Amino acid sequence: EPEVTQTPSHQVTQMGQEVILRCVPISNHLYFYWYRQILGQKVEFLVSFYNNEISEKSEIFDDQFSVERPDGSNFTLKIRSTKLEDSAMYFCASSVGRGGANVLTFGAGSRLTVL
Amino acid sequence: DAKTTQPPSMDCAEGRAANLPCNHSTISGNEYVYWYRQIHSQGPQYIIHGLKNNETNEMASLIITEDRKSSTLILPHATLRDTAVYYCIATSQETSGSRLTFGEGTQLTVNP
Repeated sequence: EPEVTQTPSHQVTQMGQEVILRCVPISNHLYFYWYRQILGQKVEFLVSFYNNEISEKSEIFDDQFSVERPDGSNFTLKIRSTKLEDSAMYFCASSVGRGGANVLTFGAGSRLTVL
Repeated sequence: DAKTTQPPSMDCAEGRAANLPCNHSTISGNEYVYWYRQIHSQGPQYIIHGLKNNETNEMASLIITEDRKSSTLILPHATLRDTAVYYCIATSQETSGSRLTFGEGTQLTVNP
């Protein structure tokens, strides 16, 4: 069964450093997403991406965050100047398209620990 | 998204059916009901979705009431590996764009 692959599985960084989380969406999917889950809290939407641009973002997704599809397969989330409160699981997801039912396939997540 | 209400926790014996309820009394006509689950800290996993009719796939069945104000996810023969948080989400592209809004969900514990 096709999977969404995320790397690294766990990253530890110092406060103030930049982090890039990588994702390989399912190959025929056109929409890509990032969600995060702070320990013990809900899964929260960050951003969706289609046709090489952000289609929607939440209030969490401020200037500290950026997304990019640098090539035909990878989808990245960059977090600049990390803060302690950025520590969380970050989940990438992809879907075939929008309209009607939109089923998302999530990756296993990248755990970010900011010290 | 329509607001959904789920019990915070449920228990089920292994091998028995697990019936997880969800209320979505303010659901609009174009909103689908989706069920996802999250096993421990893994990524959410899609289970099933429906609009009006009952649906069944290899994982579960979804029963939606005729007025669409509530639904039940049925895991016909629960196993220990079905222990997870189950999320019921009522949404459509028209009302919520591309985002899924996860609530607290129901922690299902399958006991041996």
